Amino acid sequence: QVQLQQSGPGLLRPSQTLSLTCVISGDSVSSNSAAWSWIRQSPSRGLEWLARTYYRSKWNYDYAVSVRGRITISPDTSKNQFSLQLNSVTPEDTAVYYCARISFNTTPVWGQGTMVSVSS
Amino acid sequence: DIVMTQSPDSLAVSLGERATINCKSSQSVFHYSDNKNYVVWYQQKAEQPPKLLIYWASTRESGVPDRFSGSGSGTDFTLTISSLQAEDVAVYYCQQHYSTPLTFGGGTKVEIK
Repeated sequence: QVQLQQSGPGLLRPSQTLSLTCVISGDSVSSNSAAWSWIRQSPSRGLEWLARTYYRSKWNYDYAVSVRGRITISPDTSKNQFSLQLNSVTPEDTAVYYCARISFNTTPVWGQGTMVSVSS
Repeated sequence: DIVMTQSPDSLAVSLGERATINCKSSQSVFHYSDNKNYVVWYQQKAEQPPKLLIYWASTRESGVPDRFSGSGSGTDFTLTISSLQAEDVAVYYCQQHYSTPLTFGGGTKVEIK
């Protein structure tokens, strides 16, 4: 049974960097059939996919246009986890952030969510 | 980007009656190489993460009651709750994972009439 456990701070000041981690159990971050995403949800933007990484002979990375240039998704094979880094946050980045496994040949699995508030 | 358009925005159904939610994608999400439609349906209750109901458009997740069913192919998809129960009050979302950016419908709020 695949489980994703998220961790990271919930309160940030504008211009700070958001860092979240998602620890995987029951699967491998370097699996050749899985893909690992960060998604956020807010009342104003709904469910918004942010980034994805997956391993197919090499590491691949995809990013949403809305956050490209500010965001990095990083796999860590030694800890079987992946992380999100979002730079220069503003109040518009306030949302619940989820990690998820969403790929062609696996059933989707989501983390429990982390409420992130950006406020001065 | 593939736009997922859900309808209706909200739905009030009597207990025991059928609820039908539609989702239309702006382009086909059918993958010819494996004959699958890359559409997922989720149920979300307040303060909880989305819960997987249906994947590959019509495959019910283990443990999901059989009153939930998914159908459709190509660009038109439907989630049906055959006999609405009180615990089904929630917001329902469709999502495509055929291509990035992964995109979601705007959600359908289901209530009891």
